[in-house]
Amino acid sequence: QSALTQPASVSGSPGQSITISCTGTSSDVGSYNLVSWYQQHPGKAPKLMIYEVSKRPSGVSNRFSGSKPGNTASLTISGLQAEDEADYYCCSYAGSSTFVVFGGGTKLTVL
Amino acid sequence: QITLKESGPTLVKPTQTLTLTCTFSGFSLSTSGLGVGWIRQPPGKALEWLALIYWNDDKRYSPSLKSRLTITKDTSKNQVVLTMTNMDPVDTATYYCAHSDIVTTIGAHDYWGQGTLVTVSS
Repeated sequence: QSALTQPASVSGSPGQSITISCTGTSSDVGSYNLVSWYQQHPGKAPKLMIYEVSKRPSGVSNRFSGSKPGNTASLTISGLQAEDEADYYCCSYAGSSTFVVFGGGTKLTVL
Repeated sequence: QITLKESGPTLVKPTQTLTLTCTFSGFSLSTSGLGVGWIRQPPGKALEWLALIYWNDDKRYSPSLKSRLTITKDTSKNQVVLTMTNMDPVDTATYYCAHSDIVTTIGAHDYWGQGTLVTVSS
């Protein structure tokens, strides 16, 4: 059982927007603005898409955005494209002892 | 250009110790703020963070696996080694190493290796 809770699956049509939630606790998501999101295509390594809740690494499309009200972080993908179909994982810093926790992952299907 | 590559056995027997090596290029672990971590993913399952070592030899471990893990670095060889004792079939997974930069952020990994599948079976 993963420390952070994500929906198992979400879907959307091309051009639409979707949001993936990531629920943690006051020990991780709620305490630090250090939530990151990873995209993983089948058989590939994860790719960092968002860090520190809403920052995008160089080269990541601005169709990807993040937010974090309270203990729940969210990843929003706007203007869905077929290439966005992948698994998405949230991740949070959880203090110096636990350090990092991942979510259980969400499979995004582009209809 | 930062690259990382994992190497090690593809098959280990239960109770054995696993030793994985991450060989990287494009950065040095003598540079302040940098680190290399390990993350694993059982087939069809979620990512699980394991351990991380920083430039200053500060080490962090997953609390649930801390008793079984050891992470070390060889700065001269640009390598980080992860050992996991008492392997069990549930440890079958793809093991990734990944780059981290504390100056940019804490807890995120911006460059990843391709991963190496380790199967635990007798």
